[in-house]
Amino acid sequence: DVKVTQSSRYLVKRTGEKVFLECVQDMDHENMFWYRQDPGLGLRLIYFSYDVKMKEKGDIPEGYSVSREKKERFSLILESASTNQTSMYLCATAQSSGNTIYFGEGSWLTVV
Amino acid sequence: AQSVTQLDSQVPVFEEAPVELRCNYSSSVSVYLFWYVQYPNQGLQLLLKYLSGSTLVKGINGFEAEFNKSQTSFHLRKPSVHISDTAEYFCAVSESDDKIIFGKGTRLHILP
Repeated sequence: DVKVTQSSRYLVKRTGEKVFLECVQDMDHENMFWYRQDPGLGLRLIYFSYDVKMKEKGDIPEGYSVSREKKERFSLILESASTNQTSMYLCATAQSSGNTIYFGEGSWLTVV
Repeated sequence: AQSVTQLDSQVPVFEEAPVELRCNYSSSVSVYLFWYVQYPNQGLQLLLKYLSGSTLVKGINGFEAEFNKSQTSFHLRKPSVHISDTAEYFCAVSESDDKIIFGKGTRLHILP
């Protein structure tokens, strides 16, 4: 079975804090993604990576950065958290273009 | 750049009635198309996908979708809905660059 594990299900952080969200997959997939999900806005792509150390901006990269040092791990970093980054963050993986995307359970982040 | 439009944010349907959830996309190249479902308090899972070949694609739980290249549409249909189909449905598009873009989602409400 496919497994995409997000390290934290629920986090509460203060404005200005640095936040790390970790995602690990066990399927040897090439592509990994970070989305945020907000009511009425659907899933919006923040960043994706198609290989180790490679990254591409999605539609809303501002305020975020990512790191992919190993194939199985893709981290999302909020350098200085703000209240408008309160959201559900979803990690996903896919072997390559056209293949099924597998999602993690999501990380609920609240910034106060 | 690709984009996805889900024309209806909410669709109410009586139980055992047919339903169609609309999805239009824009892209300048060949695309892969997906429908994902998110049941209440659960993660996203694949309903069906179109990669190539037959334009009518059958998925899980009795859903099907038809790819229409001239109308750039990929509408999702089910001939008879059940209360258990209550969920949010997301259309997604992927070009060969591995980027996967989702629509804003359509909430399906099944009325008794």
